Amino acid sequence: ETGVTQTPRHLVMGMTNKKSLKCEQHLGHNAMYWYKQSAKKPLELMFVYNFKEQTENNSVPSRFSPECPNSSHLFLHLHTLQPEDSALYLCASSQEGRRTDTQYFGPGTRLTVL
Amino acid sequence: AQKITQTQPGMFVQEKEAVTLDCTYDTSDQSYGLFWYKQPSSGEMIFLIYQGSYDEQNATEGRYSLNFQKARKSANLVISASQLGDSAMYFCAMREGGNYGQNFVFGPGTRLSVLP
Repeated sequence: ETGVTQTPRHLVMGMTNKKSLKCEQHLGHNAMYWYKQSAKKPLELMFVYNFKEQTENNSVPSRFSPECPNSSHLFLHLHTLQPEDSALYLCASSQEGRRTDTQYFGPGTRLTVL
Repeated sequence: AQKITQTQPGMFVQEKEAVTLDCTYDTSDQSYGLFWYKQPSSGEMIFLIYQGSYDEQNATEGRYSLNFQKARKSANLVISASQLGDSAMYFCAMREGGNYGQNFVFGPGTRLSVLP
């Protein structure tokens, strides 16, 4: 079983829709992250959760709303998005406190906003 | 200022040859970590190799090795015996001090194409 899973893999939505992205990690990690990857831009960190508590929100618009009900699950709720929000959304997890604290990524959700 | 610089937007290498992907970083922290990830067209970011700032030996993982030159602040990835499946985007990343991912930054990436 892959360590970090994301659903759906592809999502097309209108600007008035509400949808949610789901991430689940099976690695026993205590930290989870949402990243946005747009074409020709570096990976952008959006949110960080550590032990279910949000520790970072990098000036992300309120139309993106994260939720972390437990250390294994992370959601990104989307509403009234804009076409420029079309991107690949990647979830990652890590075990903070370890020397290497490598982040392991899911396969991503490719989002298209019409 | 850019924290991670990857000066090669694209690289080509012949199958079975070695290739070096460049990465320079900028930090004033004494303790930091450097990572390389591979992203195939499918989108998943695959962890390849890690180098800690206090590690004296260059990291190696199979065909991947990291040429760490601390004084020059460079952490180049060397892929030996390139394979067609190595064609992908490669990202250099750094974690500065602290414990949490908010200090984890990625470079712009290098697209590697392996030619048969």
